[in-house]
Amino acid sequence: NAGVTQTPKFRVLKTGQSMTLLCAQDMNHEYMYWYRQDPGMGLRLIHYSVGEGTTAKGEVPDGYNVSRLKKQNFLLGLESAAPSQTSVYFCASSYSLGGARNTEAFFGQGTRLTVV
Amino acid sequence: AQRVTQPEKLLSVFKGAPVELKCNYSYSGSPELFWYVQYSRQRLQLLLRHISRESIKGFTADLNKGETSFHLKKPFAQEEDSAMYYCALTDSSGSRLTFGEGTQLTVNP
Repeated sequence: NAGVTQTPKFRVLKTGQSMTLLCAQDMNHEYMYWYRQDPGMGLRLIHYSVGEGTTAKGEVPDGYNVSRLKKQNFLLGLESAAPSQTSVYFCASSYSLGGARNTEAFFGQGTRLTVV
Repeated sequence: AQRVTQPEKLLSVFKGAPVELKCNYSYSGSPELFWYVQYSRQRLQLLLRHISRESIKGFTADLNKGETSFHLKKPFAQEEDSAMYYCALTDSSGSRLTFGEGTQLTVNP
């Protein structure tokens, strides 16, 4: 059971380059999320999706785009990377987080991105 | 807007001592609160949720709506409790999970 898998695990980009981070989950979860983790700032939500074909902005969406063409995949794109986007990126998925189906979010192992 | 605040970035205690990790939140509706933990070289994982009113690995947390707090407590800390702890909140729609800044707990022998 793979759970949530992120690709790649590490990447170094030059300023202005583009890249796509892939998140795949095999738990048939409806909800998927992209966070960035920075020292002293915790995890901040970039974008999220509540179902196939839908996406929404989180707290820090600028400079990122996302797509959820298939239920199991959630892609995070950086069109023109900047040093400020150096961070550890985490993907997560869940059925739901509250209400009657109060379930947990499952996280990937993280992607360490450095922009030079 | 929903917000979670963890005032302590670092917390250090000795083995066997009580530990309390503070969490305060702001949200206008009825939130659901969680504690997540990240052990060294492991994935972030759920520790406990307020709705379950459970004790996991000796940790408990009580939701205090009057003080808008959800502090995590353990009466006797163990070295294996050393980790990064995140308090998190979701709103009534259950679609967004907002995290605090995190507290790095170190339990010394």
